[in-house]
Amino acid sequence: NAGVMQNPRHLVRRRGQEARLRCSPMKGHSHVYWYRQLPEEGLKFMVYLQKENIIDESGMPKERFSAEFPKEGPSILRIQQVVRGDSAAYFCASSPGGGKSEAFFGQGTRLTVV
Amino acid sequence: GENVEQHPSTLSVQEGDSAVIKCTYSDSASNYFPWYKQELGKRPQLIIDIRSNVGEKKDQRIAVTLNKTAKHFSLHITETQPEDSAVYFCAARGGGADGLTFGKGTHLIIQP
Repeated sequence: NAGVMQNPRHLVRRRGQEARLRCSPMKGHSHVYWYRQLPEEGLKFMVYLQKENIIDESGMPKERFSAEFPKEGPSILRIQQVVRGDSAAYFCASSPGGGKSEAFFGQGTRLTVV
Repeated sequence: GENVEQHPSTLSVQEGDSAVIKCTYSDSASNYFPWYKQELGKRPQLIIDIRSNVGEKKDQRIAVTLNKTAKHFSLHITETQPEDSAVYFCAARGGGADGLTFGKGTHLIIQP
C-alpha cells in the first residue's frame, strides 16, 4: 500500500496563475480531506470529499478555491488567480470512511506564489 | 463549529523526563480525538487516538486521557528520547463535521 500520494511536492506559481494540487488516497479509501498549513501554524480544514461528492467545504474560501474527487482519478484542489497569501503547505488525508475512521496524511504540496 | 485549544505552544523537557500536552474542545458531540506528530518538513503522522467511549489509552511510552465532562484530553509521553522532538497536534472530530479540527500545535524539544 503506497499510502496517500500527493503531487507535485513543490509548486511555484506567479501571482494570477492557477495551481492544481493532486491527491491519490490510500487503496480502499474513499474519503479525502484537504488541509492548509501556514508556516509555524497548525492544520486548517478546508474540504471533505467522497467520490463525486463534496460533503463539507466549510473551511474553503468562497472564491478562487475549488475541489473535486471524480469517480476515476485523484482528488484535485484548484486555486485560481493565486496570490502571495496562498503560499502554504497543502496536505491531503484519506480514510476508509467518515465518522470515527483514522485519517492518514500525504507528504503535502508546498505552494509558493512569487 | 468545533474549536480546539492546545497548550503549551512550546515545551522543553530533559531527556528521560515526561511531557504532557493538553487540549480542550468546545463541541460536546465530538467523539474522536487523534494526536499527530509532525517532524520538520514532513507529513503529520498519527501516533495515537481515543474515542469518546474510552477514558484512557496507552501504547508503550505514549498515553492519551479523555475527560468528556470537562471536554479536555491530554497526551503523555514518558521516558522522552531525542527522536520525540517534533510538533504535536491534537484534533477533534464530531458534532456533524467530518473534517478534523486541529489545535495549533506544541513544539516539543527534548534536551540532552
